[in-house]
Amino acid sequence: GAVVSQHPSWVICKSGTSVKIECRSLDFQATTMFWYRQFPKQSLMLMATSNEGSKATYEQGVEKDKFLINHASLTLSTLTVTSAHPEDSSFYICSARVAGVTNEQFFGPGTRLTVL
Amino acid sequence: AQSVTQPDIHITVSEGASLELRCNYSYGATPYLFWYVQSPGQGLQLLLKYFSGDTLVQGIKGFEAEFKRSQSSFNLRKPSVHWSDAAEYFCALGGGADGLTFGKGTHLIIQP
Repeated sequence: GAVVSQHPSWVICKSGTSVKIECRSLDFQATTMFWYRQFPKQSLMLMATSNEGSKATYEQGVEKDKFLINHASLTLSTLTVTSAHPEDSSFYICSARVAGVTNEQFFGPGTRLTVL
Repeated sequence: AQSVTQPDIHITVSEGASLELRCNYSYGATPYLFWYVQSPGQGLQLLLKYFSGDTLVQGIKGFEAEFKRSQSSFNLRKPSVHWSDAAEYFCALGGGADGLTFGKGTHLIIQP
């Protein structure tokens, strides 16, 4: 149980285009989903917290107009990287918190974005 | 502000030897602590977690960790490592309604 999927697992796009990454909780309802970014050989940095039906909360230094987050249902959150540039290339990982169960998050397998 | 420190960037251990990965944290209240493992290009797998209660926590793959409040530490241990344990290990703090704060990670190398 508690499986989180991400799609796509990897994507290559041209500079200036937008890319959407999906995060789904497959067998549970997630009231809260989180988006992290990981640069090569570095740690994960929290980008934003996404609650179903409300606006995402972004961490300091994360551009909300660049990284659009939508949490339209209890099983789906999307991250759209708008007008992507090479510096946006990274590994993006989502996690989901089980509704009614505190303090544990389940992580997706990650999406590797490469912007040419 | 909360923080997690993993002092060792790289650790090399011989196969079959014991392992200890260090993690220190800074937090104003009782922390929720986690250890995750990440293989190259992969997502995170939870090894174990501490929320409350017994300070010695057992996890998967033979790992355990001990929470020491007096030392603000949550070190990960394994009595005998296997070549398949080579990976990146992350200690993390937080949870609930908040995202996790991760340490910088420790890269574990297993020597034959």
